[in-house]
Amino acid sequence: DTGVSQNPRHKITKRGQNVTFRCDPISEHNRLYWYRQTLGQGPEFLTYFQNEAQLEKSRLLSDRFSAERPKGSFSTLEIQRTEQGDSAMYLCASSRTGQGGNTIYFGEGSWLTVV
Amino acid sequence: AQTVTQSQPEMSVQEAETVTLSCTYDTSESDYYLFWYKQPPSRQMILVIRQEAYKQQNATENRFSVNFQKAAKSFSLKISDSQLGDAAMYFCAYIRGDSSYKLIFGSGTRLLVRP
Repeated sequence: DTGVSQNPRHKITKRGQNVTFRCDPISEHNRLYWYRQTLGQGPEFLTYFQNEAQLEKSRLLSDRFSAERPKGSFSTLEIQRTEQGDSAMYLCASSRTGQGGNTIYFGEGSWLTVV
Repeated sequence: AQTVTQSQPEMSVQEAETVTLSCTYDTSESDYYLFWYKQPPSRQMILVIRQEAYKQQNATENRFSVNFQKAAKSFSLKISDSQLGDAAMYFCAYIRGDSSYKLIFGSGTRLLVRP
């Protein structure tokens, strides 16, 4: 396994701009998750895909946020019209169904700073 | 709603000594899993240890072990022979067994290791 890969690792953007993050899950993991973490806090669940289907979205995910997982492989998280409150680390994670499927593996995260 | 509480914002341990990090959780479910994740300054969330609620035996992984008290809803992490590389934020997390897509994290405990 090469692990969960995220890019870019860091992004600084001006308020009002759009940003997109990409996540490549562990191969053969059919479940993919996005979490958000602010300084001093634990990660908070944003959304979840099983294969290409987005099955759950948190109320934290406003209409400016959209996530996709075409073909059930990599995923993108887009934030439109960024606000300073969007500054956080966005963590992607993956897991597989079946034995051990409740174990979720995280990527290194993508830091977003909105100035 | 399920909650996870870590009451120790920061702990300190002398290198080679043993330290225990506390975690309590609240759930009405009988099928669930508990995890400890480590987040070093690099920010990647690394799985340390996992415990299935239906198992009475406490999980162990090398120098890491848990004390799982199901009735008390307590799940503490013991780190033996502490090393400098153990310094990190430690997060306790819970996930339901039947809808294993939403990890619920505690607020974390920062572990300092004194040389």
